[in-house]
Amino acid sequence: DTGVSQDPRHKITKRGQNVTFRCDPISEHNRLYWYRQTLGQGPEFLTYFQNEAQLEKSRLLSDRFSAERPKGSFSTLEIQRTEQGDSAMYLCASSLASQGGSGNTIYFGEGSWLTVV
Amino acid sequence: AQTVTQSQPEMSVQEAETVTLSCTYDTSENNYYLFWYKQPPSRQMILVIRQEAYKQQNATENRFSVNFQKAAKSFSLKISDSQLGDTAMYFCAFDFNKFYFGSGTKLNVKP
Repeated sequence: DTGVSQDPRHKITKRGQNVTFRCDPISEHNRLYWYRQTLGQGPEFLTYFQNEAQLEKSRLLSDRFSAERPKGSFSTLEIQRTEQGDSAMYLCASSLASQGGSGNTIYFGEGSWLTVV
Repeated sequence: AQTVTQSQPEMSVQEAETVTLSCTYDTSENNYYLFWYKQPPSRQMILVIRQEAYKQQNATENRFSVNFQKAAKSFSLKISDSQLGDTAMYFCAFDFNKFYFGSGTKLNVKP
């Protein structure tokens, strides 16, 4: 079991550029989450998928953010026209969700650090 | 909406001593789950302990235990016999379909 992997681990981009992060969850995990974390803060929910369906997206997320999980396996998170306020660590997590959807341990990747200059 | 509050931004403890980290949450739900996660410096977040809200018995995991008070919506983490490797950020999390995290407590274990 290789765990949740994220790529790239670090990204420095100029303001206005687009960036894309990739997440490979633990195999057979049906749920995949994206969170954003800034220094000294807890992870903030962005969106999550059940298989290939995007079930919820945070109202705090602007239209510049989009996420996909086309085949229910890996996922991508794209940020268009990046702004300095987008600088953060983007965390991916996965779980094997039961029918009820709650109570399942989520496993985190090491995160993708984004710096917008 | 669910909210999680960790009122201790930073704590210190001597090695081998006991420390308790506080967490309160707000929800109108009755069946949910609570977690503590640990994030060591520059490393990924890992599970410490998990509690089911419908269970009155407090969860324990080796040196880690919780004090779950459902009526008070309180979920504290006790670390016994603290070790240097326990130095990390600790996040309390509420799970109802998705995870809601507190702002974290930075724990420093001193030799």
